Amino acid sequence: GNSVTQMEGPVTLSEEAFLTINCTYTATGYPSLFWYVQYPGEGLQLLLKATKADDKGSNKGFEATYRKETTSFHLEKGSVQVSDSAVYFCALSLSGAGSYQLTFGKGTKLSVIP
Amino acid sequence: DSGVTQTPKHLITATGQRVTLRCSPRSGDLSVYWYQQSLDQGLQFLIQYYNGEERAKGNILERFSAQQFPDLHSELNLSSLELGDSALYFCASSVGTTPSGELFFGEGSRLTVL
Repeated sequence: GNSVTQMEGPVTLSEEAFLTINCTYTATGYPSLFWYVQYPGEGLQLLLKATKADDKGSNKGFEATYRKETTSFHLEKGSVQVSDSAVYFCALSLSGAGSYQLTFGKGTKLSVIP
Repeated sequence: DSGVTQTPKHLITATGQRVTLRCSPRSGDLSVYWYQQSLDQGLQFLIQYYNGEERAKGNILERFSAQQFPDLHSELNLSSLELGDSALYFCASSVGTTPSGELFFGEGSRLTVL
């Protein structure tokens, strides 16, 4: 079946540190890949996406590259801020028979301290 | 604000009871998805409806059912509740069923079963 594995948290970083959250996937076919973010008390919101191999998604200083050869979609940011504290979910989607499902990783909680 | 509205935000009930969670999708979105978020299982896809019809089923228990009404709002019914059903239930919506599309999540309904 399809699955997403992301690094266990929590991750605690100082402001302006470099962030990497690893994500690897298993899927039959060619999935689209996503990073969603969940701020405290809120629902998930899309952070960035990539729909084919070698695509780079980017938003708000975050970026991730779809690596088919390593089945990975690692999230990076060069300099984190306190406001980036949230739970980050890696996800994939595959369509089939007119349906569209997102399969999520378990989430990685990031805390950024001043 | 994602435009997806879920009610109630919090619900406390007893084992064996039945509850209904309600979701209003974003204006114009035809697909509604239900997800369950728990500490041990992470985010699990339950079910998807598209324009009133069931489109995909995930890890939804037989005690749970859902429907999407002609005005496109959706309800998730949970019956014979057990302690393990305590979780955050998210509704999400999207315009269609394409894999490159974005899901818009509500803020969730937190169910506590005592």
